[in-house]
Amino acid sequence: LAKTTQPISMDSYEGQEVNITCSHNNIATNDYITWYQQFPSQGPRFIIQGYKTKVTNEVASLFIPADRKSSTLSLPRVSLSDTAVYYCLVGEMNNNDMRFGAGTRLTVKP
Amino acid sequence: SAVISQKPSRDICQRGTSLTIQCQVDSQVTMMFWYRQQPGQSLTLIATANQGSEATYESGFVIDKFPISRPNLTFSTLTVSNMSPEDSSIYLCSVYRGASTDTQYFGPGTRLTVL
Repeated sequence: LAKTTQPISMDSYEGQEVNITCSHNNIATNDYITWYQQFPSQGPRFIIQGYKTKVTNEVASLFIPADRKSSTLSLPRVSLSDTAVYYCLVGEMNNNDMRFGAGTRLTVKP
Repeated sequence: SAVISQKPSRDICQRGTSLTIQCQVDSQVTMMFWYRQQPGQSLTLIATANQGSEATYESGFVIDKFPISRPNLTFSTLTVSNMSPEDSSIYLCSVYRGASTDTQYFGPGTRLTVL
């Protein structure tokens, strides 16, 4: 199982771009990288997933270098409502080997 | 995405009793999972609910304490047995549809308090 390491917490201000980096040195060839967002008293919500290079959707971008040993979630122009815990997971879903790490608690200030 | 509901959304129980949590998804899914999230902590996988066979439990979790059923491809239950205050947590189910997006979708969770 690939282990992930993220910063425990980050602070930002409204309107700024936030980049959260996740280290996963022992990522396997078939592993995907998936990011989730969790608000208090809710289940985690899927944000973005990638395998290599860059992926972008309507809420975030995911940058994955060629060696895939890390990944960076980029949130453009955050707002107060982006205050949440962000989890990086690595693994193969159909093998059920994805495990949640500690996550990054992002606090967006006015 | 998948629409997942859990019942009950919250409950307060006495120690020594058991509670069964239900998870219903709006479409057939390949895999269903049960997680526990203790206050202020990350999610810990309890088990994978297998349709038509016994659940697969993670280290530290046993069937006698957390019996799981999965009678079909859209429904599963988790029972927390002989509860103690240490079982106070949020219990979440998640599903994997087996589609090309290859990701899990989570239910809203069940907040359990054991007195």
